[in-house]
Amino acid sequence: QVLLVESGGGVVRPGTSLRLSCAASGFTFSGYGIHWVRQAPGKGLEWVAVIWYDGSNKYYADSVKGRFTISRDNSKNTLYLQMNSLRADDTAVYYCARDRRGGFPGDDLAYWGQGTLVTVSS
Amino acid sequence: AIQMTQSPSSLSASVGDRVTITCRASQGIRNDLGWYQQKPGKGPELLIYAASSLQSGVPSRFSGSGSGTDFTLTISSLQPEDFATYYCLQDYNYPRTFGQGTKVEIK
Repeated sequence: QVLLVESGGGVVRPGTSLRLSCAASGFTFSGYGIHWVRQAPGKGLEWVAVIWYDGSNKYYADSVKGRFTISRDNSKNTLYLQMNSLRADDTAVYYCARDRRGGFPGDDLAYWGQGTLVTVSS
Repeated sequence: AIQMTQSPSSLSASVGDRVTITCRASQGIRNDLGWYQQKPGKGPELLIYAASSLQSGVPSRFSGSGSGTDFTLTISSLQPEDFATYYCLQDYNYPRTFGQGTKVEIK
């Protein structure tokens, strides 16, 4: 079955960097777009970024543009989120989520991981 | 960015009730909208895609309707496992945007 497992979260100081990973299994990873979505404690969902199945396109929320970079390694079935210049308002659970259909950019988020918590605090 | 306005922000209902949640987009998004359910401590689950198509494995008591700017999620007969928070998400363009969420609580 489709499985997405996030890792790399933790407690970091403002202004520092962190890299999250999302390990995928149970499907042909290179065939699907993958997203990052975050949720601050007690708040709603916020879409963060997407990378298309072939890595040809990447899009970001305005709140993270220029600070976060999404990437993927299709040989390792792994998605990444490099987060630089972290701020207190980046504190959230970060989820990775897979497109519903393969090779179809702009799709719904049909499978989600369990999330990894990032806390930015001095 | 497209703004998604979801209402109500919360509601109290009883088992067996019919529940309706609405989402309004700040511009037309065709039928490019999905509905998601999230339970505490868990990742969201896709219920409805393309505004009205039921995701595989989702009970038929869930239904969606609408196109353009106005959308509705309906639960025809609320079950105990449906008490959760529901979100709409537009997939018309980037950046994707969620509604603020609707928490469905037990009356």
